[in-house]
Amino acid sequence: DQQVKQNSPSLSVQEGRISILNCDYTNSMFDYFLWYKKYPAEGPTFLISISSIKDKNEDGRFTVFLNKSAKHLSLHIVPSQPGDSAVYFCAANGGTSYGKLTFGQGTILTVHP
Amino acid sequence: DTAVSQTPKYLVTQMGNDKSIKCEQNLGHDTMYWYKQDSKKFLKIMFSYNNKELIINETVPNRFSPKSPDKAHLNLHINSLELGDSAVYFCASSQAMGGFNTEAFFGQGTRLTVV
Repeated sequence: DQQVKQNSPSLSVQEGRISILNCDYTNSMFDYFLWYKKYPAEGPTFLISISSIKDKNEDGRFTVFLNKSAKHLSLHIVPSQPGDSAVYFCAANGGTSYGKLTFGQGTILTVHP
Repeated sequence: DTAVSQTPKYLVTQMGNDKSIKCEQNLGHDTMYWYKQDSKKFLKIMFSYNNKELIINETVPNRFSPKSPDKAHLNLHINSLELGDSAVYFCASSQAMGGFNTEAFFGQGTRLTVV
């Protein structure tokens, strides 16, 4: 039972353009959402998070949007840079998932120069 | 100064052997975790500890035994290794278990290959 889903396995974007990564969840008890970035042979690195009481959180080039009614969140990267090329994981916490992060399967982002 | 460090980074071993992976965090966090990334790249929780106490055991075979000698360390011991145990194992820590401050900081991973 995959409670957090990233339906796009990969995304290719031109440098300078916007990258939009999407994530859907099924567990309405989730109340905290996070995005992680992962390079090969390294551990995931925390990027940005959002609480369910908000619908937007911004940190530099990264913005996360949360639509609770649709159980959907997205990560926007503007402008995209080649160094952003990595696997991006969406994760959620809360309710019966207290004490752990439930991850999506990841989206491979490639930013072309 | 590495925040979450785990050793070894690579581990190749034969079926039936017993092996351990060590993890240490210097962030002063109360909560530590073990996650497994399988061949399909899913990251799944195995265990979480809070102040040395086991909080979550996510239906992991009892061949896997975590041990937390103190808040800063969470080691993973695996008995009678099987081919299906081959995966990347990540240690992580966070300040809290729910709500804010649950951002988990991950180690670099241990790639375990059972042959």
